[in-house]
Amino acid sequence: AQTVTQSQPEMSVQEAETVTLSCTYDTSENNYYLFWYKQPPSRQMILVIRQEAYKQQNATENRFSVNFQKAAKSFSLKISDSQLGDTAMYFCAFMKRSTSGTYKYIFGTGTRLKVLA
Amino acid sequence: EADIYQTPRYLVIGTGKKITLECSQTMGHDKMYWYQQDPGMELHLIHYSYGVNSTEKGDLSSESTVSRIRTEHFPLTLESARPSHTSQYLCASSEYGLVGDEQFFGPGTRLTVL
Repeated sequence: AQTVTQSQPEMSVQEAETVTLSCTYDTSENNYYLFWYKQPPSRQMILVIRQEAYKQQNATENRFSVNFQKAAKSFSLKISDSQLGDTAMYFCAFMKRSTSGTYKYIFGTGTRLKVLA
Repeated sequence: EADIYQTPRYLVIGTGKKITLECSQTMGHDKMYWYQQDPGMELHLIHYSYGVNSTEKGDLSSESTVSRIRTEHFPLTLESARPSHTSQYLCASSEYGLVGDEQFFGPGTRLTVL
């Protein structure tokens, strides 16, 4: 079975500091994608960053970057220079191919991040 | 923000009522999805559609049903709501439905069944 584990239910960080959210996953597939989605309070969930398993280089999007360790099946998200607007629920997700050939997300349970002023 | 909409945003109803949760998107995406999300928990896929007249059940068993008569519209129906249906329901869409494809999410409907 393929699973995604986020071991930190809640975290907090001071504004302007750096925080790292952890995610581990389990899969037997070779080609897959990993994602981090952000769900702000009472707002729509949006994509933060994605990583293709075949790419060794870690993905970056402005203040957001990942540390992808394929052998360890680890996919952590680093947020630099944290801002109040980063306060949200963060979900790690793995995209798998089902037996019918379609692609589906498997989500972790989320990490609630609060940025403190 | 993505052009995907859900109504109502909040709904409180009594047991046994029939309800329909609306979802529509203006991006022309063929692929649409319904997720169920309990507080503090992960999202579980309950239905998806790869185009008009194409619907399939997701990984989590659900008593709800869906229809896809128009590309932009993907409503979810509960024929007889029960307290166990209390949850948040998120609708999403994607352009290709392929590996690596971003999904665009609606704001969600928070359903409470008394």
